[in-house]
Amino acid sequence: EAGVTQFPSHSVIEKGQTVTLRCDPISGHDNLYWYRRVMGKEIKFLLHFVKESKQDESGMPNNRFLAERTGGTYSTLKVQPAELEDSGVYFCASSLEVTGPSGANVLTFGAGSRLTVL
Amino acid sequence: GQNIDQPTEMTATEGAIVQINCTYQTSGFNGLFWYQQHAGEAPTFLSYNVLDGLEEKGRFSSFLSRSKGYSYLLLKELQMKDSASYLCAVTGSGAGSYQLTFGKGTKLSVIP
Repeated sequence: EAGVTQFPSHSVIEKGQTVTLRCDPISGHDNLYWYRRVMGKEIKFLLHFVKESKQDESGMPNNRFLAERTGGTYSTLKVQPAELEDSGVYFCASSLEVTGPSGANVLTFGAGSRLTVL
Repeated sequence: GQNIDQPTEMTATEGAIVQINCTYQTSGFNGLFWYQQHAGEAPTFLSYNVLDGLEEKGRFSSFLSRSKGYSYLLLKELQMKDSASYLCAVTGSGAGSYQLTFGKGTKLSVIP
């Protein structure tokens, strides 16, 4: 089974430019998540899709960030315009629907897209 | 909100046993995960605890005490390939049950 794939693995852009990160989840996984790790900090939740719908976007920093998942397959995360503080590693993860009160919603992560804003 | 604490770094000897602790304070709690992350790679799932007690899976075991807000990951018969960051993460209840809240991770170095 192919894992979660993210592209690009590393992107270096200048402040004010636009970057689009892509995530291909595991086939059949309805749940797709974006997380971010800023240097020196913990990995933090950004948002959660169920199929093509945004279930929870409470972690999105501001309106410079736009996530989409048209068709409920792959997802993109666009940062426009990028700022210095957006630098970090952006992780995508996917999971199957959880059933049962003690079922574990196990997330499978991608290797991340490292964004450097200069 | 959620607050997760774990040691920043640990060093242990090949063949030995190491215990990585994690404490959490949460407004709601559903379960606790441990993930392993090698440098530059994806975090990979190790274990999940929802009830108090010990879950054993080969060389790795994870313990949870819900009343104390405490968990540990136990690694036995350490191998060089176990050098990695170990991430403790919790999920909340209700609407927060799909969000993972992570600690900063514990970087484990296994030495010969």
